[in-house]
Amino acid sequence: DTAVSQTPKYLVTQMGNDKSIKCEQNLGHDTMYWYKQDSKKFLKIMFSYNNKELIINETVPNRFSPKSPDKAHLNLHINSLELGDSAVYFCASSQDVGYGYTFGSGTRLTVV
Amino acid sequence: KNEVEQSPQNLTAQEGEFITINCSYSVGISALHWLQQHPGGGIVSLFMLSSGKKKHGRLIATINIQEKHSSLHITASHPRDSAVYICAVPTLNYGGSQGNLIFGKGTKLSVKP
Repeated sequence: DTAVSQTPKYLVTQMGNDKSIKCEQNLGHDTMYWYKQDSKKFLKIMFSYNNKELIINETVPNRFSPKSPDKAHLNLHINSLELGDSAVYFCASSQDVGYGYTFGSGTRLTVV
Repeated sequence: KNEVEQSPQNLTAQEGEFITINCSYSVGISALHWLQQHPGGGIVSLFMLSSGKKKHGRLIATINIQEKHSSLHITASHPRDSAVYICAVPTLNYGGSQGNLIFGKGTKLSVKP
């Protein structure tokens, strides 16, 4: 069983569209995250949720909205996609903030 | 300014060589993570350590909390070790609780047969 699963693995879409990336973890972790890896391969935190509550929201455009229906799921919805949103997005979970991270396999988003 | 610095940025080695990747950080931490990103893009957590040394197979991670420095060593390197190795530390929130991970820029390792 995959511990942290993201879907889709690849997403190609046009500018202006709205899209969602889903993430689910079956580890029983309380904290989930979204990270963005840019073209230079640098990883940066976007959001962090602990028990369905937002605890970190870094400087991310309002077009990005995380949704956590329960503590095993953290979905990322992106409105009005822009070319600069093209990146790989990683979901992760941890036992507690700062400890025991497990990463999803990533979603490569390409905006054309 | 990135608070986690890794060196070298790129590293090419011959199969069998001993590899060392270094990580320095500027914030006080209680644990440091080493991650491996495969050429296919997946990220795997290799180590989380807060003191001393940890070993897993041919991988060894050491940390010196006082000097704010960690090293990842690979013994008897193999082409399948080719990947990007990323050091990460949790930030400290106001009040001292652990925050999210901040990452180094990674070290791209290529091991030639």
